[in-house]
Amino acid sequence: GENVEQHPSTLSVQEGDSAVIKCTYSDSASNYFPWYKQELGKRPQLIIDIRSNVGEKKDQRIAVTLNKTAKHFSLHITETQPEDSAVYFCAARLAGGGADGLTFGKGTHLIIQP
Amino acid sequence: IAGITQAPTSQILAAGRRMTLRCTQDMRHNAMYWYRQDLGLGLRLIHYSNTAGTTGKGEVPDGYSVSRANTDDFPLTLASAVPSQTSVYFCASSPRGASGRNEQFFGPGTRLTVL
Repeated sequence: GENVEQHPSTLSVQEGDSAVIKCTYSDSASNYFPWYKQELGKRPQLIIDIRSNVGEKKDQRIAVTLNKTAKHFSLHITETQPEDSAVYFCAARLAGGGADGLTFGKGTHLIIQP
Repeated sequence: IAGITQAPTSQILAAGRRMTLRCTQDMRHNAMYWYRQDLGLGLRLIHYSNTAGTTGKGEVPDGYSVSRANTDDFPLTLASAVPSQTSVYFCASSPRGASGRNEQFFGPGTRLTVL
């Protein structure tokens, strides 16, 4: 099965600076890579996703990059704001797998320092 | 109903008791999933259903069962709860299929404590 590693587990940055969270996956058959943001006591919310036929995707201050050869993908948040503080999860989905469920990383607690 | 709902919001349960967590979506999504979330372990897939009438096992299925009698509902049952099943349970749904849409939408979660 798929295995997703996520780093770092905690990331503290100054407000206005950029934050980068990195994930690696094990199965080259994975073809869909979403990122979720989870605030304390809330449900995970999809913030951006990328398919394996695309190398980069941007949505305002958020971008995701994918390196299929190295089997890693990263989340980039620029001009961080206090409301960006949350736990972020990366995930991967196997193409054509019967489960179609997501394999998640263990999460990164992002702290934005004022 | 708007989106995906779960019930109950939270529950304290004695070990050995039977418990069913409910999940309902009104988005006509084909696929539904159950995950458990434990501190430091992220979210792990318990069971899934690609379409009404079919179910499958995820990464951590032992001690849990599911059914998918129709498109909207996907209940998760703990036949005989044990303390290690203390967790936050999230139901999710996804359009899946020919449209190519893959995103999963999560319910608000059920916090279950087994004593």
